Amino acid sequence: AQSVTQLGSHVSVSEGALVLLRCNYSSSVPPYLFWYVQYPNQGLQLLLKYTSAATLVKGINGFEAEFKKSETSFHLTKPSAHMSDAAEYFCAVSEGSSASKIIFGSGTRLSIRP
Amino acid sequence: SAVISQKPSRDICQRGTSLTIQCQVDSQVTMMFWYRQQPGQSLTLIATANQGSEATYESGFVIDKFPISRPNLTFSTLTVSNMSPEDSSIYLCSVVTGMLEAFFGQGTRLTVV
Repeated sequence: AQSVTQLGSHVSVSEGALVLLRCNYSSSVPPYLFWYVQYPNQGLQLLLKYTSAATLVKGINGFEAEFKKSETSFHLTKPSAHMSDAAEYFCAVSEGSSASKIIFGSGTRLSIRP
Repeated sequence: SAVISQKPSRDICQRGTSLTIQCQVDSQVTMMFWYRQQPGQSLTLIATANQGSEATYESGFVIDKFPISRPNLTFSTLTVSNMSPEDSSIYLCSVVTGMLEAFFGQGTRLTVV
């Protein structure tokens, strides 16, 4: 069975500081990994996805994530936080087909301090 | 991409009653997925709906409580049966495209009183 673990239910950084949201996965097959963002009272939006191509994946809004097989990790980073980045972030995993269910992590709430 | 229309967008229901949520996709898809997002929580997969066969339920979810229909490749319904306040949640349907991107409906915000 596949699963993801997000370390830290709440992360707070200062505006302009580095954002690092941690995600570790467990999968019996090569995983496909995703980061989604959910702004308050809104739906889910895909930030980026890893689908076995380049291990460093760039997404929207300046976010990127690196797939590290040896560490079973897929951490999300952004060099400089902006106030508008405050949201809930979900890491997710699937087996990589349109028939594959996507399993979500518990989520990390990102707060940005002025 | 895929556009998903989900209704109702919200409802307040009495305990013991049932609510059926509809999900319409603008393209044909093999699988449709139903999730629950409890207040302040992540998304939990309820079941996978495949056209022409019975839905596959995740651990902790049963067909008697969450019956699902999938009459064609663009439509599905989820019923929340014999509701209790613990069923208050946001229910979302989802599809995954060939580009492996999941699209979600806007959700149904259910409050059981």
